[in-house]
Amino acid sequence: KAGVTQTPRYLIKTRGQQVTLSCSPISGHRSVSWYQQTPGQGLQFLFEYFSETQRNKGNFPGRFSGRQFSNSRSEMNVSTLELGDSALYLCASSLVVTGTNEQFFGPGTRLTVL
Amino acid sequence: KNEVEQSPQNLTAQEGEFITINCSYSVGISALHWLQQHPGGGIVSLFMLSSGKKKHGRLIATINIQEKHSSLHITASHPRDSAVYICAVISSNTDKLIFGTGTRLQVFP
Repeated sequence: KAGVTQTPRYLIKTRGQQVTLSCSPISGHRSVSWYQQTPGQGLQFLFEYFSETQRNKGNFPGRFSGRQFSNSRSEMNVSTLELGDSALYLCASSLVVTGTNEQFFGPGTRLTVL
Repeated sequence: KNEVEQSPQNLTAQEGEFITINCSYSVGISALHWLQQHPGGGIVSLFMLSSGKKKHGRLIATINIQEKHSSLHITASHPRDSAVYICAVISSNTDKLIFGTGTRLQVFP
């Protein structure tokens, strides 16, 4: 069974641009969560999608948004990029809602904002 | 104060040593995860606990719900165990995953 895949793996953007990251969960998994990892703040929860609905959201500005498609693939979008958005963005999938279910992480997308 | 605290932040060991990493949390939880992150970023889920103790190979994880504390033990450590170990809890109030800052472990031959 294929694992969680994320595209692209690396991305360089400039301030003010927008970016879209993609996550394909493990086949059969219906929940996708997104996380941001920076050296200063560590890992932080962005949002969780289940059955195409945003189920939970972390404390990030509205520039960060996401969606989930009927095949459970998910995208996250960051608009008006800032230097501080440079980070490793990880997604994780689980069979059902995060709760007490094991999560399987993708390799991450490393975003650099210049 | 962080809701999830890990200690130590950094740990160096000789191959074969017994390793303990601690995690304390201040919120009500429905479960606790131990994660392993290797250089390059990939994260692997090691354990998910809501009570008691779990063992997988040389790894043992325990949790004490009353004391709001969990430990991850590695027996007979090996250089390939070198990684960052992250404790994360699912808040029973918000259902969100809250992460500790991680423990960087280096095991030397």
